[in-house]
Amino acid sequence: GQQVMQIPQYQHVQEGEDFTTYCNSSTTLSNIQWYKQRPGGHPVFLIQLVKSGEVKKQKRLTFQFGEAKKNSSLHITATQTTDVGTYFCAGVTGNQFYFGTGTSLTVIP
Amino acid sequence: ETGVTQTPRHLVMGMTNKKSLKCEQHLGHNAMYWYKQSAKKPLELMFVYSLEERVENNSVPSRFSPECPNSSHLFLHLHTLQPEDSALYLCASSQEYGLSYNSPLHFGNGTRLTVT
Repeated sequence: GQQVMQIPQYQHVQEGEDFTTYCNSSTTLSNIQWYKQRPGGHPVFLIQLVKSGEVKKQKRLTFQFGEAKKNSSLHITATQTTDVGTYFCAGVTGNQFYFGTGTSLTVIP
Repeated sequence: ETGVTQTPRHLVMGMTNKKSLKCEQHLGHNAMYWYKQSAKKPLELMFVYSLEERVENNSVPSRFSPECPNSSHLFLHLHTLQPEDSALYLCASSQEYGLSYNSPLHFGNGTRLTVT
């Protein structure tokens, strides 16, 4: 069945270092969404990518959607302590959302 | 600040209890969802309602019973739960459900459920 794999599961970085999380789908997606969940909080929508090869930026965050629409990445430049949390991708196909397992980011001051 | 409100925030219940989780959305959305979040697992979709009609039921045990009296409210009735049902239960809403299933989800703060 449809699966969305996300790596790494955990990432510890020093403040100021970069961070990347990757999302891979077993099938082609119509679009992909990214969410952030702070510790003790709930997932919050960050962005949606729809087009093949699409790249979007939000300040220090860069989101990419692969040419085949089967993979995506989120890159954070120069992490800050406010970036702490778990980042989830959600692949969308048909009527279904398929959430990845998330990448938990810890930023060491 | 979230436009989706869940109560209670925390719930401890025995296996023979009956309780209900409540969700209310103030966003004017047409679709509402129940998700289960367990440690080290992807978010699991439990139920979807679109315009108060259940459109998905993902093989959820009958000890979980959803109710959607109107487009702004969603309940999850719980009875004779098992310890493995302990998890964070998240309610979410989206503008629409259907062919253009790309409306982002707006989540509530969740109910942390512990079954003893």
